[in-house]
Amino acid sequence: GENVEQHPSTLSVQEGDSAVIKCTYSDSASNYFPWYKQELGKRPQLIIDIRSNVGEKKDQRIAVTLNKTAKHFSLHITETQPEDSAVYFCAASKWTDKLIFGTGTRLQVFP
Amino acid sequence: DTAVSQTPKYLVTQMGNDKSIKCEQNLGHDTMYWYKQDSKKFLKIMFSYNNKELIINETVPNRFSPKSPDKAHLNLHINSLELGDSAVYFCASSPDGNTEAFFGQGTRLTVV
Repeated sequence: GENVEQHPSTLSVQEGDSAVIKCTYSDSASNYFPWYKQELGKRPQLIIDIRSNVGEKKDQRIAVTLNKTAKHFSLHITETQPEDSAVYFCAASKWTDKLIFGTGTRLQVFP
Repeated sequence: DTAVSQTPKYLVTQMGNDKSIKCEQNLGHDTMYWYKQDSKKFLKIMFSYNNKELIINETVPNRFSPKSPDKAHLNLHINSLELGDSAVYFCASSPDGNTEAFFGQGTRLTVV
């Protein structure tokens, strides 16, 4: 089955700096790659997603890139703000299969 | 109007007891899931249901059983609770497995 690895497990940055979180997946048939943000005590919520027919997608300060050949995808957050502090999860799925999540990255943005 | 709701939000119970967590979605989605989030924050799939049919049954103990009375509901029943079952359990739904999953607010289960 699908296996998703995520790095780093923790990431600390200064406000205004960029943050990058990387994930690799094992199943080449996976074609949907969402990113979720989970604030303390809250539910995971989708922040951006990408499908396998697209190499990059951007939404304001957030961007995701996908390298199908290498089977990895990354989340990029620019101009980080304290409210970006949370746990971020990548995930992968194929067709109508389940979402498999990475192990999470705890991002701390210091003012 | 809450899209995915689960009850209760907190559940404290003794070892050996049987408990249920309820989940309802009003999004008209065909697929529903149960995820377990442990103390390390790992999100692990437990079950998924598509149109009331169990399509994937992960290797969870058979003390856990999902029950779906209709497409909008997927309840989780747990028998003979153990200390290691303590975690946050999230219900989620999706139009299919290949689009955004919407999560409930979670149920924090504490077994004492």
